[in-house]
Amino acid sequence: KQEVTQIPAALSVPEGENLVLNCSFTDSAIYNLQWFRQDPGKGLTSLLLIQSSQREQTSGRLNASLDKSSGRSTLYIAASQPGDSATYLCAVGSGTYKYIFGTGTRLKVLA
Amino acid sequence: SAVISQKPSRDICQRGTSLTIQCQVDSQVTMMFWYRQQPGQSLTLIATANQGSEATYESGFVIDKFPISRPNLTFSTLTVSNMSPEDSSIYLCSVDYFSGQGRTDTQYFGPGTRLTVL
Repeated sequence: KQEVTQIPAALSVPEGENLVLNCSFTDSAIYNLQWFRQDPGKGLTSLLLIQSSQREQTSGRLNASLDKSSGRSTLYIAASQPGDSATYLCAVGSGTYKYIFGTGTRLKVLA
Repeated sequence: SAVISQKPSRDICQRGTSLTIQCQVDSQVTMMFWYRQQPGQSLTLIATANQGSEATYESGFVIDKFPISRPNLTFSTLTVSNMSPEDSSIYLCSVDYFSGQGRTDTQYFGPGTRLTVL
């Protein structure tokens, strides 16, 4: 059974810092992995999608990497801003349209 | 992309009653999903809803407790039946979006319905 864990559970950083969020999964036979952002009252927003054959994806200040063999993904946020404050979730896709979500990292960026 | 709306956005209900949550998508989608997010926890898939067929429920979830309808390709409802305080959660619907070129793999989520059961 796939299990997805995110570390740290919470993070508070000053504005401008570069930071890394971690996601680990127990079964390396994944179809893809997505990083989401969750804001209160606004549901989830997909940030980056990495297919199992890919190593990384980039969008603006965000970069996500995937190492299937070690069961890890990282989300790198460059030059963090207060608007980045949210809960970040990683989700592992098995290819059957189902996703297993991680426990989330609550990020607070201080102005 | 797909834009998803949910109704109601929040509700406070009494134990033993039922609540039906609506999910509307602005484009036709094959598969819709219902998730539950209990306080302080991550998302758990309840069921997958396909148009014209019975919903497929995940382990630990049953149709009697969470009946689902999917009357067309843009709409679905989830009912939380005979509610107890343990059902207090955020309920989210999502879709696996297909563009004109096929499956995008990107999941789009509605804003969620925050349910509190007293």
